[in-house]
Amino acid sequence: QKEVEQDPGPLSVPEGAIVSLNCTYSNSAFQYFMWYRQYSRKGPELLMYTYSSGNKEDGRFTAQVDKSSKYISLFIRDSQPSDSATYLCAMSTNYGQNFVFGPGTRLSVLP
Amino acid sequence: GAGVSQSPSNKVTEKGKDVELRCDPISGHTALYWYRQSLGQGLEFLIYFQGNSAPDKSGLPSDRFSAERTGGSVSTLTIQRTQQEDSAVYLCASSFRGALETQYFGPGTRLLVL
Repeated sequence: QKEVEQDPGPLSVPEGAIVSLNCTYSNSAFQYFMWYRQYSRKGPELLMYTYSSGNKEDGRFTAQVDKSSKYISLFIRDSQPSDSATYLCAMSTNYGQNFVFGPGTRLSVLP
Repeated sequence: GAGVSQSPSNKVTEKGKDVELRCDPISGHTALYWYRQSLGQGLEFLIYFQGNSAPDKSGLPSDRFSAERTGGSVSTLTIQRTQQEDSAVYLCASSFRGALETQYFGPGTRLLVL
């Protein structure tokens, strides 16, 4: 079992749809959770950063962490074609130096 | 200010040759990371530099891989005697203080070993 699992997609949705992207993980020591967006042939860029459990909202994006289930989600409201990218989850422990990334979910928002 | 830059953006080499990949982190960032991203795979951690401390090399896949960071700024990742399985995108990231800080990524170097 990989340390971080993520459905690779591709996920295709119509413009305006609500998108749900998810990751599961096995290491209960993870405390910091991040979502990155990566456009084709670009480096990842940080979207959301949360600590421990709970929700965090930023514009059309909401990150949700459920540590009891070892499950994190990223919701995108009113999705736009410009949201088409690969979304990577990442996580780290309190005292670790390594960030562990999921393999990414490829999202296509169709106009 | 300027983001993380990497060079070259693309590199094609023959099996058995050595390659050097360069990373210029964001000015003032003390932490620097190298990752490898293969098609359909997540980012694979390679090496981490924090200030003047000895680097964390735990992710380097073999002794053909090495990295250095000069003056706490620019870093070079060297792959000796390249193999076809080394073909990937090599990403560099930097952060202000280290492991718990937001990482900012460069655009990557696409390496193809023929």
